[in-house]
Amino acid sequence: AQKVTQAQTEISVVEKEDVTLDCVYETRDTTYYLFWYKQPPSGELVFLIRRNSFDEQNEISGRYSWNFQKSTSSFNFTITASQVVDSAVYFCALSEANTGNQFYFGTGTSLTVIP
Amino acid sequence: DSGVTQTPKHLITATGQRVTLRCSPRSGDLSVYWYQQSLDQGLQFLIHYYNGEERAKGNILERFSAQQFPDLHSELNLSSLELGDSALYFCASSPDTTGGLRVTQYFGPGTRLTVL
Repeated sequence: AQKVTQAQTEISVVEKEDVTLDCVYETRDTTYYLFWYKQPPSGELVFLIRRNSFDEQNEISGRYSWNFQKSTSSFNFTITASQVVDSAVYFCALSEANTGNQFYFGTGTSLTVIP
Repeated sequence: DSGVTQTPKHLITATGQRVTLRCSPRSGDLSVYWYQQSLDQGLQFLIHYYNGEERAKGNILERFSAQQFPDLHSELNLSSLELGDSALYFCASSPDTTGGLRVTQYFGPGTRLTVL
């Protein structure tokens, strides 16, 4: 079973629109970590945020915000006033404290921001 | 720039050949991870080394092997290459504490392997 599900394969928005990327995870661990990474067309993976399972406080960083809800096992990512430079593939990932050091990545959401 | 370096950036080789991918972690990071990104499999964890010792194995083929050297750089060896091994190979590093807390992995730019 997929531990991380990103149901949206591709999303297109017009510049300045807001967009939310969904991430649903599955784990039995009580301690775990959630991540978002950005992969622009150049190919590198850029770390955006890490969230601990014991901290459900939402976070805002500039135009980016994250909504972590344990009750629905979701860790959604919102970009406000999207820009062309936001065009990339975004990956959500899970790391469990008790089952090894690997990351489980979702399949990614490809975001295209149209000027 | 994450601070993780990978060489080479691109590699083109033929089926049946063997290649070595190299990774230098961020200064001070003891953990190195290898991932394979292909169109059909997505991002797959291959293997994790911590301070020279293998810590975890994921979906790594027997034709593939890795090691981490005393200076903490790591090499991923791919042998008897097949067309399906064509992919982007990422190395990541993290500053794992001795308590084993899962912390952020910082990824290198990747090595794009093309097997013809």
